[in-house]
Amino acid sequence: QSALTQPASVSGSPGQSITISCTGASSAFGTYDRVSWYQHHPGMAPKLLIYEGTERPSGVSSRFSASTSGNTASLTISGLQADDESDYYCCSYPGDSVWFFGGGTRLTVL
Amino acid sequence: EVQVVESGGGLVQPGGSLRLSCTVSGFIFNDYAMHWVRQAPGKGLEWVASISWNSGVLGYGDSVKGRVTVSRDNAKNSLFLDMNSLRVEDTAFYYCVRTRYRAFDIWGQGTMVTVSS
Repeated sequence: QSALTQPASVSGSPGQSITISCTGASSAFGTYDRVSWYQHHPGMAPKLLIYEGTERPSGVSSRFSASTSGNTASLTISGLQADDESDYYCCSYPGDSVWFFGGGTRLTVL
Repeated sequence: EVQVVESGGGLVQPGGSLRLSCTVSGFIFNDYAMHWVRQAPGKGLEWVASISWNSGVLGYGDSVKGRVTVSRDNAKNSLFLDMNSLRVEDTAFYYCVRTRYRAFDIWGQGTMVTVSS
């Protein structure tokens, strides 16, 4: 059982927007700026999508955005595309050299 | 070009030991903390261990604490994970990962560890 809870699956049609939530106890969550999000296609290395809660690395599409409220972080993907179909993970760093991943969410593009 | 290359995976019997290695290039290795993250078959990502830039601060996940040791050799741009008392549930792809801005920003392709009799 993960310290961070994500829905097991979400789905959407091309062009739509979807949101993936990530909820945890304050002991696992830390502060909003310690949350990151990753996309993981099977057989490939995971890719950083969001860092420090809401920031996008260079090269990541602006279709990916994130927000935090209390102990819940959310990743929104707008304008869904077929190659967005993947697994998505949230991650937190509450401190003391300990990190937590969420259980992961499988996104299906219908 | 940034490169992160893991090695050392393979088949090992339960109770056995294994050393994973990771060699990096394309960035100043000793400027960054480094980590091991794993994914067991059909499961999600799991943080395994971390080491600060100067090896002064180490961290371990609860499922491996006491059985693994993370270390680094900055002169050789290398990260290591020594794993002992291996269990079937340690079977996973192991990734070598850099952190920046409290996120895992650069990942290797991973090395597979299979623990089976």
